[in-house]
Amino acid sequence: ETGVTQTPRHLVMGMTNKKSLKCEQHLGHNAMYWYKQSAKKPLELMFVYSLEERVENNSVPSRFSPECPNSSHLFLHLHTLQPEDSALYLCASSQSVGYSYEQYFGPGTRLTVT
Amino acid sequence: AQSVTQPDIHITVSEGASLELRCNYSYGATPYLFWYVQSPGQGLQLLLKYFSGDTLVQGIKGFEAEFKRSQSSFNLRKPSVHWSDAAEYFCAVGSPSGGSYIPTFGRGTSLIVHP
Repeated sequence: ETGVTQTPRHLVMGMTNKKSLKCEQHLGHNAMYWYKQSAKKPLELMFVYSLEERVENNSVPSRFSPECPNSSHLFLHLHTLQPEDSALYLCASSQSVGYSYEQYFGPGTRLTVT
Repeated sequence: AQSVTQPDIHITVSEGASLELRCNYSYGATPYLFWYVQSPGQGLQLLLKYFSGDTLVQGIKGFEAEFKRSQSSFNLRKPSVHWSDAAEYFCAVGSPSGGSYIPTFGRGTSLIVHP
């Protein structure tokens, strides 16, 4: 595997379910990100991790819970979601956290909340 | 705070025609500038980036972009579009005074290519 991988690629869940999204990067990067991409809306940054420490949390509801056990893996734990949470969730990594570093994105997980 | 504007939501071109996608940023000094492309069902892929030096930047897939400080612009160009270029294009800007050290993305421009 190369680059940034995400599993599952598609997920349908009810509002009472608990599920997790997984992201893995094989690039030796130190920073990882979660973005939400909804139709007709700008890319929304959710969480940023640098060297496994959370460095940014953009007022994301507590029903989204990130976890970064090491610099290669990032999870997004989901519980009691709402239909408006349906979106494409993108994971990205970069060499380090910073405005000058380009990001490498995974293919995303298409989440549908029913 | 930094911001980036992509004024065109959709652009339609014929295959073989030239392309220019617009990007304007708001920041006093020279920011770091990026163009990404997102094909259907995929994540974003970096096309090119500008940090300093030559204002005309070459990227992958035959794309180029020109930084114009006087116009606060970083427009993406391609001389001859291929059908496989149909995708969503995102401009991003990063600057040290934006309050966040993460690049800011524009809303994207959807490119439609007619045969």
